[in-house]
Amino acid sequence: EIVLTQSPGTLSLSPGERATLSCRASQSISSSFLAWYQQNFGQAPRLLIYATSNRATGIPDRFSGSGSGTDFTLTISRLEPEDFAVYYCQQYDLSPTFGQGTKVEIK
Amino acid sequence: QLQLQESGPGLVKPSETLPLTCTVSGGSISSTSHYWAWIRQSPGKGLEWIGSIYYSGTTYYNPSLKSRLTISVDTSKDQFSLKLSSVTAADTAVYHCASQLYSPNSYIDVWGKGTTVTVSS
Repeated sequence: EIVLTQSPGTLSLSPGERATLSCRASQSISSSFLAWYQQNFGQAPRLLIYATSNRATGIPDRFSGSGSGTDFTLTISRLEPEDFAVYYCQQYDLSPTFGQGTKVEIK
Repeated sequence: QLQLQESGPGLVKPSETLPLTCTVSGGSISSTSHYWAWIRQSPGKGLEWIGSIYYSGTTYYNPSLKSRLTISVDTSKDQFSLKLSSVTAADTAVYHCASQLYSPNSYIDVWGKGTTVTVSS
């Protein structure tokens, strides 16, 4: 099983600031099979990014993904009020597993 | 667009079997592009992939749950179902049904809202 570790656990930022979220895998993820999701309280997760850097349909371009091997990053270039939420990474190189999440909160 | 809706009991007794059903709308469960998955979320274990099924009935299970798990599909009703036996408090979670594109090892493109299941006597 591939274990995903996300950091930081909580990110306190102001609207308009840049957010950088990290996801580290316990072993190399081939073919960049990594996705990112956003979850607001009481709602289901929503797909943001798949295959490391591809935005899902309707996702604004302030969201971008990068990385390879064991280290992956989700960047939100300028935080909007609706971006304050919990973010999860997921690998699908092997049986799917998820990171424990990073909460982006308003500073 | 594709929508998924979970249904089932909100409370299950320890040692009993948890049954859940997911109804697919806005698309066909017989789509050759999709696999249909169950994912659960709990404060203790976070998000956990439970298993997936193709419309043909081929199943893929999380090894940690395989001995207690059955996932099935009913194409005539556009539904797929989960049965988890011998439940304990550790199975208390929000259960989501979801769709995956092209493979059981894939990202989740559509999520159901989720249904809360509590295991308690």
